[in-house]
Amino acid sequence: KNEVEQSPQNLTAQEGEFITINCSYSVGISALHWLQQHPGGGIVSLFMLSSGKKKHGRLIATINIQEKHSSLHITASHPRDSAVYICAVLTSAGNKLTFGGGTRVLVKP
Amino acid sequence: DSGVTQTPKHLITATGQRVTLRCSPRSGDLSVYWYQQSLDQGLQFLIQYYNGEERAKGNILERFSAQQFPDLHSELNLSSLELGDSALYFCASSVADGAQYFGPGTRLTVT
Repeated sequence: KNEVEQSPQNLTAQEGEFITINCSYSVGISALHWLQQHPGGGIVSLFMLSSGKKKHGRLIATINIQEKHSSLHITASHPRDSAVYICAVLTSAGNKLTFGGGTRVLVKP
Repeated sequence: DSGVTQTPKHLITATGQRVTLRCSPRSGDLSVYWYQQSLDQGLQFLIQYYNGEERAKGNILERFSAQQFPDLHSELNLSSLELGDSALYFCASSVADGAQYFGPGTRLTVT
């Protein structure tokens, strides 16, 4: 079993819809990252969080440390949000990031 | 633009060869991380350097090595290349153990 599991693997939404991506992990962590990877391959760090909730524009990330679960929400989705979203955890035991398998999001106009 | 630069963008080479990938971190960032993204394995952490010293090691093969220089740029050396080494190689930097900023990646194709 992977240490970081994401769901769903693929998601298709209509423009304007609310999107939720889930991330569960099984190890102790010091922080959790949400990354966005566009079709060209570039990776952008969206959030780093260790508790609670963060918001940036239409993106909201939450984490529940007790339940070892994080969610990334996209409100009022837009075709430009189409990308792969990757959850990664910074393990307590070291400094390495362990990645989930990614969620491929397609937002149709 | 994350402020992290990687060269080259693309690299095509033959099996058995040796290549060097280069990364310049954001100004002021002391930590550099190397990651490999292949089609079948996803993103994997390879190695981290902090201010010139190796800090953490992940799934890095013995054929691969890295170093961080006094000016904080880093190089990842891949030798005795195999077809399976074809992947995107990302470098990221951070101030310490904080948020990581990713470079655009180097796409390596081994033929």
